Amino acid sequence: KAGVTQTPRYLIKTRGQQVTLSCSPISGHRSVSWYQQTPGQGLQFLFEYFSETQRNKGNFPGRFSGRQFSNSRSEMNVSTLELGDSALYLCATSQTTGDGYTFGSGTRLTVV
Amino acid sequence: QKEVEQNSGPLSVPEGAIASLNCTYSDRGSQSFFWYRQYSGKSPELIMSIYSNGDKEDGRFTAQLNKASQYVSLLIRDSQPSDSATYLCAGLEGGFKTIFGAGTRLFVKA
Repeated sequence: KAGVTQTPRYLIKTRGQQVTLSCSPISGHRSVSWYQQTPGQGLQFLFEYFSETQRNKGNFPGRFSGRQFSNSRSEMNVSTLELGDSALYLCATSQTTGDGYTFGSGTRLTVV
Repeated sequence: QKEVEQNSGPLSVPEGAIASLNCTYSDRGSQSFFWYRQYSGKSPELIMSIYSNGDKEDGRFTAQLNKASQYVSLLIRDSQPSDSATYLCAGLEGGFKTIFGAGTRLFVKA
């Protein structure tokens, strides 16, 4: 079966711009979580969606937002990009909360 | 902020040895724990989940959970060079949020 699909794989943006990342979960996976991974901070939780509802949010500024569509696909948006937003953004999905995740390949964002 | 703590390593073991990876967590309410393996340049991959006190075995991997001590461990028997990766411990907090440790780098020497 198809895995978790994240697009795009790579992005280069300049400071101040905004970016939208997309995640298509495995069929039947309704929970979608987003993580930021950097060498210094490891995997940091951004938010989790289930049935189009954000159920939890991590400690990130309001510039980071997301949504989930009725087909479980999810997007995250980062506005007013800063250099420190450069990271690997990972989407992780599961059938229900409490199951382990299947991760996508990630989107590597570089802010210059 | 609930935490999951791991020794960052690197942990180096010879081929064929047992690798022991450890993790502690601060949220006493956590009921579900996971071990992920992440190869360099790749995404994390789930290798074990454990929900009850005691041991859970899957092939060469054994996960151990001690809720009283807030301790989770992963044993890899007959370690192979292909097991060289970063191992991430994770716990489910509040039912909806999985918190990851910083990971332990494992090197298996041939």
